[in-house]
Amino acid sequence: DIVMTQSPDSLAVSLGERATINCKSSQSLLYSSNNKNYLVWYQQKPGQPPKLLIYWASTRESGVPDRFSGSGSGTDFTLTISSLQAEDVAVYYCQQYYSTPITFGQGTRLEIK
Amino acid sequence: EVQLVESGGGLVQPGGSLRLSCAASGFIFGSHWMSWVRQAPGKGLEWVANINQDGSEKHYVDSVKGRFTVSRDNAKKSVFLQMSSLRAEDTAVYYCARRNGGLSGYFDNWGQGTLVTVSS
Repeated sequence: DIVMTQSPDSLAVSLGERATINCKSSQSLLYSSNNKNYLVWYQQKPGQPPKLLIYWASTRESGVPDRFSGSGSGTDFTLTISSLQAEDVAVYYCQQYYSTPITFGQGTRLEIK
Repeated sequence: EVQLVESGGGLVQPGGSLRLSCAASGFIFGSHWMSWVRQAPGKGLEWVANINQDGSEKHYVDSVKGRFTVSRDNAKKSVFLQMSSLRAEDTAVYYCARRNGGLSGYFDNWGQGTLVTVSS
C-alpha cells in the first residue's frame, strides 16, 4: 500500500499570509504513460464532507478560488494557499489514486494565528 | 447538480449487521465507479470499497474483506454497503463518493454521510 504522510499536522497562519502544506508518498504517483501525478487535495470543514480542491496534483477544481494551488511531482507535493482567508480554516487531506487501496494523508489542521 | 444522499446508519451491537444506501441524482449514474469512504470520530479518511459501473468489479480495504459487500442498482441509481460482523472499530461516518475517471479516478463528489455506531 502507498503511505501518504502530510506535514505539518497542524498549522496556524495569519490572515492574508501564505499557508503551505506538504504531502509525501511512499512511492511515485507519476504515471509515465500520461505524465500525470495521481494526487488530489481535499478541504474538510467541521460537520461537512470533504470538498475537492485540486486533482492531478495541480489542476484546480472548477469554482475553487485561485488562491489555492497545488504543485509537486513523483513523491513530493505541496498545497499552497497564497493569502489565507477566514473561511479557509479546515482540515486538508492529500490522497493518492495511483493504485488500490486508495490512501489518504493523516490530515493537516489549518487555523488562524 | 450532482447529489449523493446516504441513509441506513444507526446504532448496532457488535457482531450485528447494517445496510447503507446511497441515492444518486444529477448525473448518469451507470457511467461511474462509486466508492464508500469512512471517517471515525475525530479521525482521518479511510477508503472502504469500490464498485465499477455494472457491478462486476469490486475492491475492499483489507480490514473489511469478508465482512462488507458493496453492490449497486443502476435502475434505482443507488449504491449499497452491506456490513456484517460489525466491530467497534467500524464506528464512523460513512460517505458515498463518485469517482471521476474510472478505477484510476479521484472522488469528485461526496454525500453528507451517515453515522454508524457499533456499541453494546
